[in-house]
Amino acid sequence: QQQVRQSPQSLTVWEGETAILNCSYEDSTFNYFPWYQQFPGEGPALLISIRSVSDKKEDGRFTIFFNKREKKLSLHITDSQPGDSATYFCAALASSGSWQLIFGSGTQLTVMP
Amino acid sequence: DPKIIQKPKYLVAVTGSEKILICEQYLGHNAMYWYRQSAKKPLEFMFSYSYQKLMDNQTASSRFQPQSSKKNHLDLQITALKPDDSATYFCASSQDAGGYEQYFGPGTRLTVL
Repeated sequence: QQQVRQSPQSLTVWEGETAILNCSYEDSTFNYFPWYQQFPGEGPALLISIRSVSDKKEDGRFTIFFNKREKKLSLHITDSQPGDSATYFCAALASSGSWQLIFGSGTQLTVMP
Repeated sequence: DPKIIQKPKYLVAVTGSEKILICEQYLGHNAMYWYRQSAKKPLEFMFSYSYQKLMDNQTASSRFQPQSSKKNHLDLQITALKPDDSATYFCASSQDAGGYEQYFGPGTRLTVL
């Protein structure tokens, strides 16, 4: 049972466009949602995160929009650059006390110059 | 300088053997984790430790044993290796208990023949 779902599986945008990556979850007790960026051969790097008490979090070109009622969130990358080409993972923190992050399957983003 | 060190970067083992994956973090964090990433599944949580105490174990098999000799070390011993154990194993850490703001190491890619 996949508790965190991501779409699309892959996304291609042109340089300068806004890339929109989607994520949804099932467990209403999830309260913290980080996004990770991963390049081939490297570990996931924490990019930006949001807690369920907020509906928006911005950090430079990266913005998370969060809809608690619909259990959905999205990552917007504005002015996309070729260097943003990577796999992006949405995750959720299980609130059962185990401290485990539950990851989605990822969105592979390609930014064309 | 890398803040989370994982050794080795690549590891090849034969079925039935035993290996130890090394993880050291120099972020001054109090909690450490192990995750596994394979081609078939998203990043999967395995263990969480806080102040060298096991907090959660989501690994069904006792063949996987974390070992913490110091607060900033969390090694992973895997016995009776199987081809299905082939994956990249990531160590992560966070400042405090609770699982927020987890930072990942570069990973150890294990191949079991």
